[in-house]
Parts: sequence; structure tokens; C-alpha cells
Amino acid sequence: DVKVTQSSRYLVKRTGEKVFLECVQDMDHENMFWYRQDPGLGLRLIYFSYDVKMKEKGDIPEGYSVSREKKERFSLILESASTNQTSMYLCASSSTGNNQPQHFGDGTRLSIL
Amino acid sequence: GENVEQHPSTLSVQEGDSAVIKCTYSDSASNYFPWYKQELGKRPQLIIDIRSNVGEKKDQRIAVTLNKTAKHFSLHITETQPEDSAVYFCAACISGSARQLTFGSGTQLTVLP
Repeated sequence: DVKVTQSSRYLVKRTGEKVFLECVQDMDHENMFWYRQDPGLGLRLIYFSYDVKMKEKGDIPEGYSVSREKKERFSLILESASTNQTSMYLCASSSTGNNQPQHFGDGTRLSIL
Repeated sequence: GENVEQHPSTLSVQEGDSAVIKCTYSDSASNYFPWYKQELGKRPQLIIDIRSNVGEKKDQRIAVTLNKTAKHFSLHITETQPEDSAVYFCAACISGSARQLTFGSGTQLTVLP
């Protein structure tokens, strides 16, 4: 069974801090994704990666960056956290190929004070 | 890029009744349409998917239909049970697209006992 693990379920940070959200998958998947989930807005793609050291912007990349130094790990970075980045963050992974399902982690509920 | 609209945003049904959630997509190149269920406090999980060469797919009480001409697809749940209460997300995927999925905004389904 695919396991996608996010390092924290809940996180509270202060405005201006640099925040790291970590995600690890154990299925040797090539693709990894970071989404933000807000009520009424669904899942919005922040960044994704289809290979080590490769990254692509999603729909809402502003204020975020990512790092993929190893295949199993994909990190989301808030360079200078702001209150409008308070949200639920979901990581997902999938294998390469057409029509591959994405497998999600449990999410990190991030509050920026 | 792809745009997916999902309706309704909330849906309440009596236990045993049927529930229908509808989605439309904009890009005719989309050819894969998964549905995810997210229970309160849990990760989104794939419940059913359909490919563009198929018009309908069933899995026990769940079915999905696809109308490529009209660019819409629907989730049908029959004989609803309280454990069906969750947020449901539709998604569309353009073949060969690295980002893979564009999600709808979600439907909160409540099954009343």
C-alpha cells in the first residue's frame, strides 16, 4: 500500500518565519505534488516535481518554493510566512504514465499568526 | 489550461436515497476523470475513475458517467449510507500532462439518518 507521510499534522508559525513542510513517499514514485486546500476552493496545485531536482509551478506558486533532492522526499518552503498562507497543505505522489492515480498524505494544517 | 467546475457545493440526502454530483471540464484533451472522497480529518482517497473511451463505470453503489461531447461527468451514489458523508472532489487529466490533475471545488455530502 502506498504511504505518503507528511512530517506534521498541525503547525503554528509566526508571520515572517521561514517554514518547511516535508513529505516522504515509499513507493518510488516519480511524481510528487503540493496542494493547498481551502473551503470552497478545492485542491489548488502549488508546485509539482516529476523527477529529482526538477520542479514545475502549479496554479498558485507565489510565496512558495520547493526542493526535491531525493526521489522520495519533496519539501514545500514558505520563504516568509504570511497570514494568508494559513491553510491545509496536502502532499501527493504518483507514478509516471497516463492516468495514474495520486496518493495523498494526511495533510498539514498550518496556522500563521 | 484545464478548468473544472463542480456542483453542488453542498448536498444533503436522506439515508437510502441517491446522490448525484456533477462536474464540467473545459479542455477537450482531458481523457481521465477520477473522483476522490475525503472524510473529515482524513486524506482524499480515490474511489472511482473513468477514462474517455468509456461512457459509464460502476463499482457497487457508486457509478460515474461521462459525456465527452458535452464535457461533463457525474458521480452517482445509490442507497446512501451515513458513512458516505464526506467531501467529494472530481478531477480531470489531460493525457501526457505532467501536472496530471485539475480538481473541482468539492461537494460536501451529508447523509441524514
